[in-house]
Amino acid sequence: ELKVEQNPLFLSMQEGKNYTIYCNYSTTSDRLYWYRQDPGKSLESLFVLLSNGAVKQEGRLMASLDTKARLSTLHITAAVHDLSATYFCAGAPTSGSRLTFGEGTQLTVNP
Amino acid sequence: NAGVTQTPKFQVLKTGQSMTLQCAQDMNHNSMYWYRQDPGMGLRLIYYSASEGTTDKGEVPNGYNVSRLNKREFSLRLESAAPSQTSVYFCASREGVSYEQYFGPGTRLTVT
Repeated sequence: ELKVEQNPLFLSMQEGKNYTIYCNYSTTSDRLYWYRQDPGKSLESLFVLLSNGAVKQEGRLMASLDTKARLSTLHITAAVHDLSATYFCAGAPTSGSRLTFGEGTQLTVNP
Repeated sequence: NAGVTQTPKFQVLKTGQSMTLQCAQDMNHNSMYWYRQDPGMGLRLIYYSASEGTTDKGEVPNGYNVSRLNKREFSLRLESAAPSQTSVYFCASREGVSYEQYFGPGTRLTVT
């Protein structure tokens, strides 16, 4: 059974700073997804990573996947307040379609 | 396209009452999912339907039933609501190439 762990679970950072959120998973998976959730809202897809070494960037966010280390990272560059939200990673086993979600990282960007 | 829609948006039930949460998607996706979200626990899969006519249990199916009415619609039923079922419920459908899931707006359910 796939298990997904994120850290940190809570992250408070200042505007302009860089930081990385880590997502570790327990069994073989070649598909990793990142979602954003604003308070009281639904989940919005950010990145879909489908192979080892995949790297995707959108604005100040960059996600990568290392299937050998069973690790995905979400890197935040020069954070701005608008990035404050909860970020979830989710993995799917190589032979399955069910997603397993991490607990989420609640990010607060302070002025 | 409306994407994934859910009704109702909010609901308050008394213990023992029943209700059905409705979900529909207009993206022609084969697979659909029901999740619940509780504080600090991420999303947990209740039931899913890989294709029309099939349903399977997820991680937390007890106390719930589902119906895949057709390719577009997937409903979740609580037969006898309990306070432990107070949660936010999300429906999702899955795209067939990248397996990316698209989520509905959620139903906030309180059971008193």
